[in-house]
Amino acid sequence: RKEVEQDPGPFNVPEGATVAFNCTYSNSASQSFFWYRQDCRKEPKLLMSVYSSGNEDGRFTAQLNRASQYISLLIRDSKLSDSATYLCVVNMKGYQKVTFGTGTKLQVIP
Amino acid sequence: NAGVTQTPKFQVLKTGQSMTLQCAQDMNHEYMSWYRQDPGMGLRLIHYSVGAGITDQGEVPNGYNVSRSTTEDFPLRLLSAAPSQTSVYFCASSYPGGSNSVLHFGNGTRLTVT
Repeated sequence: RKEVEQDPGPFNVPEGATVAFNCTYSNSASQSFFWYRQDCRKEPKLLMSVYSSGNEDGRFTAQLNRASQYISLLIRDSKLSDSATYLCVVNMKGYQKVTFGTGTKLQVIP
Repeated sequence: NAGVTQTPKFQVLKTGQSMTLQCAQDMNHEYMSWYRQDPGMGLRLIHYSVGAGITDQGEVPNGYNVSRSTTEDFPLRLLSAAPSQTSVYFCASSYPGGSNSVLHFGNGTRLTVT
């Protein structure tokens, strides 16, 4: 089993739709969680951290469920510019155990 | 503010050749790392460093060497290139803030080994 697993997609959604991605992790000792966004042929960039109580940044909401060992990302009112690959990132112990999921591809359609 | 700078952007090597991928950051980050990204595999850690003079292996270190003589620079050396090393390579850095540090990535180097 992979340490961090994501549905690769692609998720094809119309503009204005709400879409949600899940990411599961296998190590219960995982300490911190992030969502990164990666545009085609570009470097990953931080989208948002994921806090235990859940957190929101504009149209984006991140949730953490430690009991079931998954994190989620909800995007409301999808824009064409949201089209990208979303990477789930889990930090298990210090710097060296930053583990990336393989990413979920989102395509927002006009 | 340049952030993390990687060179070259593209490189084609023949099997057996050696080369160095350069990475420099101007944010005074103590932590630097190298990842490779392959289709369906996600980003995999090659080597990392928590400060000048300190390096360690990541998940896929074979065939690569690193050194960290200064805080700013973290070059990645391919000793004898193989087709399996065809990939996109990213350098990343962060503050030593423990598990909540955000990784800042360079633009990547696209390497093809023939």
